[in-house]
Amino acid sequence: SQTIHQWPATLVQPVGSPLSLECTVEGTSNPNLYWYRQAAGRGLQLLFYSIGIDQISSEVPQNLSASRPQDRQFILSSKKLLLSDSGFYLCAWTDSGANVLTFGAGSRLTVL
Amino acid sequence: GDSVTQMEGPVTLSEEAFLTINCTYTATGYPSLFWYVQYPGEGLQLLLKATKADDKGSNKGFEATYRKETTSFHLEKGSVQVSDSAVYFCALRHTGANSKLTFGKGITLSVRP
Repeated sequence: SQTIHQWPATLVQPVGSPLSLECTVEGTSNPNLYWYRQAAGRGLQLLFYSIGIDQISSEVPQNLSASRPQDRQFILSSKKLLLSDSGFYLCAWTDSGANVLTFGAGSRLTVL
Repeated sequence: GDSVTQMEGPVTLSEEAFLTINCTYTATGYPSLFWYVQYPGEGLQLLLKATKADDKGSNKGFEATYRKETTSFHLEKGSVQVSDSAVYFCALRHTGANSKLTFGKGITLSVRP
């Protein structure tokens, strides 16, 4: 069966420090991968999505970047965190053509 | 572009009360519609879905019917439990590899014993 893992689950970082959140999917190949952010009072915002290695689309201009070094690995990064980067980050995957997204457990980032 | 509108929250109910959470959407064509639930401290889980007009999705006592004529997908449950306390998100997605899931803002439901 397919599983999705995110880590770390919780992270507290100072302003200006770098960030790396990792997401991996097991039990499938060539998944579509997504990064969402859930900020307080703002619902879910799609940040990046990828339909294959080296195929990453950014939805909103921001302080973050995404990479997909392997087929089932999706990494969210920042070189210098801002206070406004605080939030709950969710990775998700789906088989191409399927409708249902499966989410990871999330990574809670607090920038101080 | 596509959009999903959910009723304003939060919602607080007593156990065994009837629940309705409104959701309307704007989209071209015939997207699939979803309800996701997020329990405290966790990621999102699919609660139910409907892929075409007049379909009814159901799970764990929750139901929602895809109403094309009113562009709605309201979530209902006849008798809520304390364990239903969570954040509920309505969403839509078109088919296709590049299609993205568009969410509503979510609504927090608290159920009192």
